[in-house]
Amino acid sequence: KAGVTQTPRYLIKTRGQQVTLSCSPISGHRSVSWYQQTPGQGLQFLFEYFSETQRNKGNFPGRFSGRQFSNSRSEMNVSTLELGDSALYLCASSLVPGTDTQYFGPGTRLTVL
Amino acid sequence: SQQGEEDPQALSIQEGENATMNCSYKTSINNLQWYRQNSGRGLVHLILIRSNEREKHSGRLRVTLDTSKKSSSLLITASRAADTASYFCATASPGSGYSTLTFGKGTMLLVSP
Repeated sequence: KAGVTQTPRYLIKTRGQQVTLSCSPISGHRSVSWYQQTPGQGLQFLFEYFSETQRNKGNFPGRFSGRQFSNSRSEMNVSTLELGDSALYLCASSLVPGTDTQYFGPGTRLTVL
Repeated sequence: SQQGEEDPQALSIQEGENATMNCSYKTSINNLQWYRQNSGRGLVHLILIRSNEREKHSGRLRVTLDTSKKSSSLLITASRAADTASYFCATASPGSGYSTLTFGKGTMLLVSP
């Protein structure tokens, strides 16, 4: 089975721009979560989606949004980018929400200049 | 916010030695997972231990869980240079049905040949 895939792998943007990141979960997995990793804050939860519904959201400003499609693929969007949004964005998928192993993708490295 | 705290923050050993990392957490959990990350890449799932389990093995890995002390340990036996990475514990809270993981700041392991 193919693992979690994320595109693009690297992205460079300037302040004020917006960005969309994509995540394709493992086939059959319907739960997708997003995390942000920075040297200062570590790994922080952004959102969780299951069956196209956002079930949980972390403590991030409204500039961070996401969605999930009927094929379980997910996208996250960051509008009006700030320098502090530079981070590794990781997507994880699991078969069943709440109790199951989560499998992570390789991440998208976003740099905001 | 960080739930888990790994200890030590950094560990340097020689090939063939055992490496032990500890994780403490604050609230009750559904399960605890250990992940490995190489040089800012994606997280690789190592092992999941549920709250009603006390010990689990996978190859050279041994994980223990003490829910009364809210702590877990990861033991890597006969370490290899390829084990050099950052190791994170992550907890999932019970009852919510969410997949949200709360991560510690990680232990950086360096295994020298």
